[in-house]
Amino acid sequence: EAAVTQSPRSKVAVTGGKVTLSCHQTNNHDYMYWYRQDTGHGLRLIHYSYVADSTEKGDIPDGYKASRPSQENFSLILELASLSQTAVYFCASRADRGYTEVFFGKGTRLTVV
Amino acid sequence: AQSVTQPDARVTVSEGASLQLRCKYSYSGTPYLFWYVQYPRQGLQLLLKYYSGDPVVQGVNGFEAEFIKSNSSFHLRKASVHWSDSAVYFCAVSAYSNNRIFFGDGTQLVVKP
Repeated sequence: EAAVTQSPRSKVAVTGGKVTLSCHQTNNHDYMYWYRQDTGHGLRLIHYSYVADSTEKGDIPDGYKASRPSQENFSLILELASLSQTAVYFCASRADRGYTEVFFGKGTRLTVV
Repeated sequence: AQSVTQPDARVTVSEGASLQLRCKYSYSGTPYLFWYVQYPRQGLQLLLKYYSGDPVVQGVNGFEAEFIKSNSSFHLRKASVHWSDSAVYFCAVSAYSNNRIFFGDGTQLVVKP
């Protein structure tokens, strides 16, 4: 069973502070994604990566950085957290493009106060 | 690029009734189509996927979907819903030419006892 582990599972951060959300996959997948989900809304792509040491911008990259130091690990960094970044964040991985399944982590609930 | 439209934000059905959740995609090439389900406070899980062959594809827990190319649709169906089917359902489209997978905004299914 493919596994994507996110940490922490929930976090309260102070406005203006730095937040790092971590994602680890044991699937040997090349592709990793960070999504944001606001209450009652769908998924919005923040950043993604298809190879270690390289990241790509998604649809809403402003205010977020990503880091892929290895195939297994993919972090999302909020340098200056803002109230508007309160949301649930999902990490996901997939083996390849096209027809392959995306495997999701359980999510990180971030509250910025 | 690809896109997905799920026109119904919320669908309410009675337990035991049949269900159809609508999905329309936009892509000029050959799409890879997916349905995912999200239970409360969890990540998304794959229900079924389709690429080619029989246009009616079976998934887990009695769900099926029908691909209608002429209508660019991939509607999800179930003959008889159970209260445990209450969740948010996402339709998604991917292509081998693209590193991404595009999700619709989701449809929240409420099953009434």
